[in-house]
Amino acid sequence: NAGVTQTPKFQVLKTGQSMTLQCAQDMNHEYMSWYRQDPGMGLRLIHYSVGAGITDQGEVPNGYNVSRSTTEDFPLRLLSAAPSQTSVYFCASSFGLPANSGNTIYFGEGSWLTVV
Amino acid sequence: AQSVTQLGSHVSVSEGALVLLRCNYSSSVPPYLFWYVQYPNQGLQLLLKYTTGATLVKGINGFEAEFKKSETSFHLTKPSAHMSDAAEYFCAVSDQDGGSQGNLIFGKGTKLSVKP
Repeated sequence: NAGVTQTPKFQVLKTGQSMTLQCAQDMNHEYMSWYRQDPGMGLRLIHYSVGAGITDQGEVPNGYNVSRSTTEDFPLRLLSAAPSQTSVYFCASSFGLPANSGNTIYFGEGSWLTVV
Repeated sequence: AQSVTQLGSHVSVSEGALVLLRCNYSSSVPPYLFWYVQYPNQGLQLLLKYTTGATLVKGINGFEAEFKKSETSFHLTKPSAHMSDAAEYFCAVSDQDGGSQGNLIFGKGTKLSVKP
């Protein structure tokens, strides 16, 4: 009963390095998304996907790339890490967009990223 | 475009006292409303949600919230606080307005402390 699985849980990067945060879900959800959480800012949407092969930008997409080649996986790539990307990242999934009948979003446990 | 305002970034109550966490939203169309809870170093978990129908919604762990359209509010309450309720609580909104492309918009969160 895995739900939404994120790896790694903790990561320290040097400025300019690249890395990929992995996200997988086993609930056959069409909708997946990435949020970042910063103190006092709540959660802000980075990118989202409504199905395999379809991705779109959220509120804070700059510096991040995503792809959705399968229903299960939705990796988030940091192309050239900056200290401003130090944050906690959450992957989430749902049967569909929340605005469609109020679909519930299920969250992963989070990935703590520090860029030095 | 939607927005969510949570009044009070920190709320402290005594064990056994009433818990009241405030959430106001703005939306040009009937919204879907959610409350999520985040325990330390964990992901977010759905407490309850309002989609349609009864405006008083009951959730897990004895929490409930009432949708008041005239006040554009969705306040979260619990009659008697327990030590285990100490966590951060997030209100979120989604609708078909298009401003959030159908995604969830989160408030900045309210951290609840429970004193023995």
